Amino acid sequence: GAVVSQHPSRVICKSGTSVKIECRSLDFQATTMFWYRQFPKQSLMLMATSNEGSKATYEQGVEKDKFLINHASLTLSTLTVTSAHPEDSSFYICSATDRGGITGELFFGEGSRLTVL
Amino acid sequence: AQSVTQPDIHITVSEGASLELRCNYSYGATPYLFWYVQSPGQGLQLLLKYFSGDTLVQGIKGFEAEFKRSQSSFNLRKPSVHWSDAAEYFCAVGAGDMRFGAGTRLTVKP
Repeated sequence: GAVVSQHPSRVICKSGTSVKIECRSLDFQATTMFWYRQFPKQSLMLMATSNEGSKATYEQGVEKDKFLINHASLTLSTLTVTSAHPEDSSFYICSATDRGGITGELFFGEGSRLTVL
Repeated sequence: AQSVTQPDIHITVSEGASLELRCNYSYGATPYLFWYVQSPGQGLQLLLKYFSGDTLVQGIKGFEAEFKRSQSSFNLRKPSVHWSDAAEYFCAVGAGDMRFGAGTRLTVKP
């Protein structure tokens, strides 16, 4: 099946620094990628929808200047958490649609756990 | 707007017992429905999905789910639970911008 890979899987950073998380579709082209955030013992909350070559669409309440999303190619989307603070510590998961596959099916990355000290 | 409700936050079953996890959805059209499983600190694994056709869908690991339009439900079932099934289970609805339920944590007693 289609594979989505995230990197890094874990990252620890100091408050005030920026962190970049990559999401790659390894064996398919993804026109659309999605970024989710998951707090401990909670569900996944959609943060933004990222379309290749265009600006991301952010969900209500998500700061676009805080969470920068770039989808420059059909196989790569990046999420940059700028000036990270401890409250940004969370599990971030990306997903992608296989434009050649079944409509509506998403393939998820393994997730990236961010800890801000 | 599309939404998903998983009424049970935590369920405990004995190993070998049957399991049913509930999921109710709200969606404007024919929904795409999914069940995912997540082990601690891990990503999501797709158990099964429903797009159209037969309302009883079979998934991996012996799981199945039944789509009932009249009840707006998509409950997940397994006839005999194994200790390795202990995890968090998420029901999701949508196409693309998928919406997730709050999740049900499954504990399996020996």
